[in-house]
Order: sequence, then C-alpha cells, then structure tokens
Amino acid sequence: NAGVTQTPKFRILKIGQSMTLQCTQDMNHNYMYWYRQDPGMGLKLIYYSVGAGITDKGEVPNGYNVSRSTTEDFPLRLELAAPSQTSVYFCASSYSFSAEQYFGPGTRLTVT
Amino acid sequence: GQNIDQPTEMTATEGAIVQINCTYQTSGFNGLFWYQQHAGEAPTFLSYNVLDGLEEKGRFSSFLSRSKGYSYLLLKELQMKDSASYLCAASPYNTDKLIFGTGTRLQVFP
Repeated sequence: NAGVTQTPKFRILKIGQSMTLQCTQDMNHNYMYWYRQDPGMGLKLIYYSVGAGITDKGEVPNGYNVSRSTTEDFPLRLELAAPSQTSVYFCASSYSFSAEQYFGPGTRLTVT
Repeated sequence: GQNIDQPTEMTATEGAIVQINCTYQTSGFNGLFWYQQHAGEAPTFLSYNVLDGLEEKGRFSSFLSRSKGYSYLLLKELQMKDSASYLCAASPYNTDKLIFGTGTRLQVFP
C-alpha cells in the first residue's frame, strides 16, 4: 500500500515552459487535492476533485489546470511557467471532505 | 470571510508542556483539523474536532470552542522530535475543502 505518490520529486523549469506533476493514490479515495506551499507559509489549495470527472477551483487556480479521468490519478498541469510558481506542491487524498487527508511527499519546483 | 490565525513561532524545553492556539473567523465549519509537518516533509494528520471539548491522543490533545472561535493543540512531555510546524485547518460549511492557517513553527530545546 503506497498511499499517495508524486512525481517528480524535484524539477527546474525555465520561464514559459510547461510540465505535468503526477499524483496517484491507491486508497480508492474519491477526494483529491493539489496544494502549493511557499517558504514559511501554510498550504494554499489550487484545485480539488470529489470524484472521477469532477474538478473545481481552489484559492489559487490561475496558471494551472487539472483533470481526473480515473479515481487513482489527479495530474496538475502548469502552462507557461512563471517565477511566481516556484513552490513545493503537495497532492493529497481523503475518503471524504471531513476525513483526514493523506499527503504525498511533494514536488519541489523552481522556475527561473 | 474565512481566516485562520496562529502564532508564527514558539519555543519550549524538552519535557515541558506547550499550547499552540488557533483562532478562526468563518461563518461556519464542519470541523477543525491539526496537522504536523516536519521540515522538508509532507503534513501528517494529528487530530480532528467536530464537537466542543477536548480530544486526547497520547501526548497530544486538541480542544475546540465553536462559540469562541478558538482551538488549541496541547503537547505534553515534549520531545526533540516534536520540533515541527503545526498547521490548523478548518472545513467550511457547504464546501469540500480545507482552509489552512500559516502554521506555527515549534522549536524544542534540550
């Protein structure tokens, strides 16, 4: 039982490049989330999903896109990377919105 | 609106007790969570309060007062490994998401 896995662990992007952050969970959770965490700050919700085929915006969705074609996978797409997107990105999943969230190990992204 | 406030940093001594406060301004919420996050790692779940009162789990306890808009996390018999950030988060009514505070960085000294 791997829980929530994220790839890659680290990435450096040039301004204007695009990339996809992968997230997979094997707990059959319906709810999945993407957060970003800037140094010394809390978690900001980017996008979330309550089930396959359903996604919704969080607090800071601009510059990102998501899809949820299966229960297991919830990839986050960055188009036209900007320095402001330098951050640590965490994916999480939960059984319901009122249940504990299980977090992946994070992806450290630097945009230069 | 929804806002969650926590102290930025706290220090304490090994073996002592520390209380980390969380105040929130939200029109209503389903429950309040506490997560622990060690430097460079992902957050991990500590506790969840739905009803007012104290929930105890070993050395950690969490308290909620909805009428006062207030929660705290109590850590007893502090150990060096308790040095971490502690994140308070609320699940607002009619949403499927959590709003996180900025976290309290706790440093435990010998």
